[in-house]
Amino acid sequence: DTAVSQTPKYLVTQMGNDKSIKCEQNLGHDTMYWYKQDSKKFLKIMFSYNNKELIINETVPNRFSPKSPDKAHLNLHINSLELGDSAVYFCASSPLLRGNTIYFGEGSWLTVV
Amino acid sequence: TQLLEQSPQFLSIQEGENLTVYCNSSSVFSSLQWYRQEPGEGPVLLVTVVTGGEVKKLKRLTFQFGDARKDSSLHITAAQPGDTGLYLCAVRSNDYKLSFGAGTTVTVRA
Repeated sequence: DTAVSQTPKYLVTQMGNDKSIKCEQNLGHDTMYWYKQDSKKFLKIMFSYNNKELIINETVPNRFSPKSPDKAHLNLHINSLELGDSAVYFCASSPLLRGNTIYFGEGSWLTVV
Repeated sequence: TQLLEQSPQFLSIQEGENLTVYCNSSSVFSSLQWYRQEPGEGPVLLVTVVTGGEVKKLKRLTFQFGDARKDSSLHITAAQPGDTGLYLCAVRSNDYKLSFGAGTTVTVRA
């Protein structure tokens, strides 16, 4: 009965590979997000979708492409992985675009070697 | 420069001691949130403060929003090992983003 679930939880891959992280929320929320947490624990928004529509696209390299097939899913595809992409990626959702509470998934630990 | 400055960056205390962490900004916010992130987990919302000078209590945790709505503090009384985690403050900007501070890592030793 996990509210926001993302897979895989751990991912180790080589530079240059392409990988995807999947996210699903069963809360009925309209808005979903991807956040990146670096090695210093700084949490920064990457993307936000509202009802499958892209709302926020921070200064993220084009190698990162989010896809929202429906409002319950927001996947993150990363092309040509680089060492600097190593981080924890959190999926999250909120009831409304300006909803006050954001619910985070457990995170996906990506290590690029 | 970051929108929110949190201090201290790290805090290690003995069980039973009190602690306070701070979140400061030069900007005024309509509301401010505190999240706790335990090791290996995602952040979880603890509280939202909306009124200048507001004080909210959550068991042994006391949250205060500054009178000018530019800063906030989190005070933990008689800390326990279960309080260990990364404490993050966050504010929502006009463009719908929830922006986080860099966090304070709290370790409570048994």
